[in-house]
This record gives sequence, C-alpha cells and structure tokens, in this order.
Amino acid sequence: GENVEQHPSTLSVQEGDSAVIKCTYSDSASNYFPWYKQELGKRPQLIIDIRSNVGEKKDQRIAVTLNKTAKHFSLHITETQPEDSAVYFCAVSWGEYGNKLVFGAGTILRVKS
Amino acid sequence: GAGVSQSPSNKVTEKGKDVELRCDPISGHTALYWYRQRLGQGLEFLIYFQGNSAPDKSGLPSDRFSAERTGESVSTLTIQRTQQEDSAVYLCASGGTNTGELFFGEGSRLTVL
Repeated sequence: GENVEQHPSTLSVQEGDSAVIKCTYSDSASNYFPWYKQELGKRPQLIIDIRSNVGEKKDQRIAVTLNKTAKHFSLHITETQPEDSAVYFCAVSWGEYGNKLVFGAGTILRVKS
Repeated sequence: GAGVSQSPSNKVTEKGKDVELRCDPISGHTALYWYRQRLGQGLEFLIYFQGNSAPDKSGLPSDRFSAERTGESVSTLTIQRTQQEDSAVYLCASGGTNTGELFFGEGSRLTVL
C-alpha cells in the first residue's frame, strides 16, 4: 500500500519565522497532495492542495512544492503567527481510482510569540 | 445541513458492548470516508464509500468493524464487542466525485471502559 512519511513530528518556530514540513510517499501513481490543519479539539480542514501537473502552488503565506521525481512534497508557511499553531497533516491520493487519501502522521507546529 | 454531521459526539461504553456511529455527509457528496484518530495520533484510514459501494475496506482493523451506507447518504460504522483499544475519535469525511477537498465532521469520541 501507499506509505506516507512526514517530518518533523514537532516543530517550534519564533513568530515571524518560516516553517517547512516535508512528506515523502511511495506510489508514483499518486496525483493529488493536500495539506490539512487540525487545531486542538477541532476537525481537520484543508488549507492547500496540489495536483501532479504543477510543481508549486501558493496561497498568501502558505505554499506547497511538489517533486514527483523524488516523490516528496513540502508545506511552507512564511511569517508565522501564533494562530498557525496546530497539527498539520499531509495526505496522498492512492488506490485503483486514486481517491483513497492516506495521511501522514502529522506535525505539531508551535509558534512562539 | 451545511456540513458533515456525526452522532453521537461522545460515547462511553463497556467492554464487550456493540456501538453504532452515524455520519450524515454533505448533500450530493458521493465519496464518504471513515478515519480513526487515537489521542495525539494521525488519521488512520478505515473504509471508503463511493455511492453506496465500498471499493476499499482494507483499513478495517478486524471483523468486529463493519460499515454501510444507504441512499448515497447516511453511513453507519458498527463496532461489535468493543475493546479498550477501540477508544478513539472516529472521523467521517465526505467529498465530491473526483479526488478533492474532504470535509470532516466533528467526530465521535468513543471511550471503552
């Protein structure tokens, strides 16, 4: 099956600094790569996603880069703010129809003010 | 409703009892997923429905777990003879036909004593 590894498991940054979270995957047929944010006690919510036909996507302070050859993709958060503190999960589409989402183990991001 | 609804929000049961967890997806969403999230852990895939069919049941941990979906709408996850290791938050998510954003419910927190 698809194997998704996410690093680091925890990340502490100073407010205003950048944060980078990386995921690697095993199935070269995967073509959809979303990132979800889960605040404490809340449901996961999509923050950004990318498909395999592009290498980078940006939405204000958040960007995702994809390297299909190396089978890894990364989440970049610039100018971090305390409200960015949460658990971030990467996911990869997998399966015969490419619509099974397998999640990474998550990264706890703490932004210190 | 506007979002994914899950019930009950909290369930405390005794070891050996059966439990049923319900998910009402967003109207019109053909894809429905169940995930399990243990405390402080990631999202563990359980089962996926496309319409009323479940093309992928590979994530169900044991034959004590089963799920069904009717009317391309409501889904029920049933856990028979519950064990303490079943304690977790069970998250339901729904999405459109093509792989894209999943909308999660608030989850059902199950505690097995």
